[in-house]
Amino acid sequence: AQSVAQPEDQVNVAEGNPLTVKCTYSVSGNPYLFWYVQYPNRGLQFLLKYITGDNLVKGSYGFEAEFNKSQTSFHLKKPSALVSDSALYFCAVRDYGNTGKLIFGQGTTLQVKP
Amino acid sequence: KAGVTQTPRYLIKTRGQQVTLSCSPISGHRSVSWYQQTPGQGLQFLFEYFSETQRNKGNFPGRFSGRQFSNSRSEMNVSTLELGDSALYLCASSRSQGGAATDTQYFGPGTRLTVL
Repeated sequence: AQSVAQPEDQVNVAEGNPLTVKCTYSVSGNPYLFWYVQYPNRGLQFLLKYITGDNLVKGSYGFEAEFNKSQTSFHLKKPSALVSDSALYFCAVRDYGNTGKLIFGQGTTLQVKP
Repeated sequence: KAGVTQTPRYLIKTRGQQVTLSCSPISGHRSVSWYQQTPGQGLQFLFEYFSETQRNKGNFPGRFSGRQFSNSRSEMNVSTLELGDSALYLCASSRSQGGAATDTQYFGPGTRLTVL
């Protein structure tokens, strides 16, 4: 079965420093991977996705993610964190077959301190 | 282009009642999915509709049902509400042209359901 894991419940980083939010996946077949962000009392906002091609995917708000097949990872990164990046981040993988169903990780809370 | 809209945004119900939530997808999107978000279970898939047909269903009891209309708008219904149904219910839409697997799902703001 398809699954993703986010090993850290919370990540703390100082403003201006690079940030990384980790995600590992387990799939049968091609991995279609997604990152979403959720601000308090809001829905999920799409950041980026990996379908195929270049292992470095660039997304919204300066975020990027690196797909690593050998390590089965899809870590979210940003070169310089902003206080406004503080939010809950979800990694997701598309379920097997022709379906839109996403399987989400448990989420990682990112705290960026001034 | 307007995003996914969900109504109502907040609902308070009592145990045993039923509730209907509504979702309007982004214009041109034909697929609608529903998810339940709780602190304990995280984000869990409820069901997916495409062209008025349920394409996929998650592991929820039969009290949870949904439908999609010809204009792609969708509703979900929960009957005989239980305390554990308190959650944020999120709707997502996608174009779903040429296959669902690579599509991006865009989420609405959610409906916060509280069951007392």
